[in-house]
Amino acid sequence: TQLLEQSPQFLSIQEGENLTVYCNSSSVFSSLQWYRQEPGEGPVLLVTVVTGGEVKKLKRLTFQFGDARKDSSLHITAAQPGDTGLYLCAGALNYGGSQGNLIFGKGTKLSVKP
Amino acid sequence: SQTIHQWPATLVQPVGSPLSLECTVEGTSNPNLYWYRQAAGRGLQLLFYSVGIGQISSEVPQNLSASRPQDRQFILSSKKLLLSDSGFYLCAWSVLGPGEQFFGPGTRLTVL
Repeated sequence: TQLLEQSPQFLSIQEGENLTVYCNSSSVFSSLQWYRQEPGEGPVLLVTVVTGGEVKKLKRLTFQFGDARKDSSLHITAAQPGDTGLYLCAGALNYGGSQGNLIFGKGTKLSVKP
Repeated sequence: SQTIHQWPATLVQPVGSPLSLECTVEGTSNPNLYWYRQAAGRGLQLLFYSVGIGQISSEVPQNLSASRPQDRQFILSSKKLLLSDSGFYLCAWSVLGPGEQFFGPGTRLTVL
C-alpha cells in the first residue's frame, strides 16, 4: 500500500510567520502535486514538481521535490490570512500512464490569524 | 480552456433513496475521469476512475456505482443511499502527462 504522509495535520499561526509543510513517502513518485482547498470548494492545483531536487516558487510559496523523489516540502514566507486553507500533496506513480492515478496525503489544515 | 462542472452543488436525501451525481468536462478530449469522496476537511478517497467511454474501475467496494456514457460525462449513482454515503464528492479529470488532476467544485451530499 502506497502512503503519502503529511505533517503537520493542523497548523495555526499569526500573520507574518513562516511555515513549512512536509510530505513523505517510501515510494518513488514520477511527479508530485500540491493543491490548496478552501471549505466547500474543490482543490486547486498550485504546482507540479517532476525532477528530483527541483524547486519552484509561486510568490511567497516555495515547493521542493526531494532528490530521491520520495518527499516534498511547501514553505510559505510571511503567511497571510488569505493563505488559510487545506493543503494537499499528491504523488503520481506512473508518469504518462493511462491511469494517471494519484496518491493523496491527508492534508494540512492551515489557519493564519490576522 | 478546460472547465469541469458538477451538479447538484448540494443534496439532501433520505436513507434508501437513489442517487445520481453528474460531472461534465469541457475543452478536452478523451480525459481520464475520477470520482473522489472527501471526509470533513481531510484527504481524498478515490472511488472510481475511467480511461474511456464505458470503462470503469472501482477502487473501493461500496454502495455506489459509476458510469461514463459519453467521453466527457461521468456519473456517480446509488440505488439505495446509506447514512455512511454522506460526504463531499469531487470529480476530477486528467490527460496523459505529469499526473496533474483538475477538480470540479464538488457536491455536498447529506443522507438523513
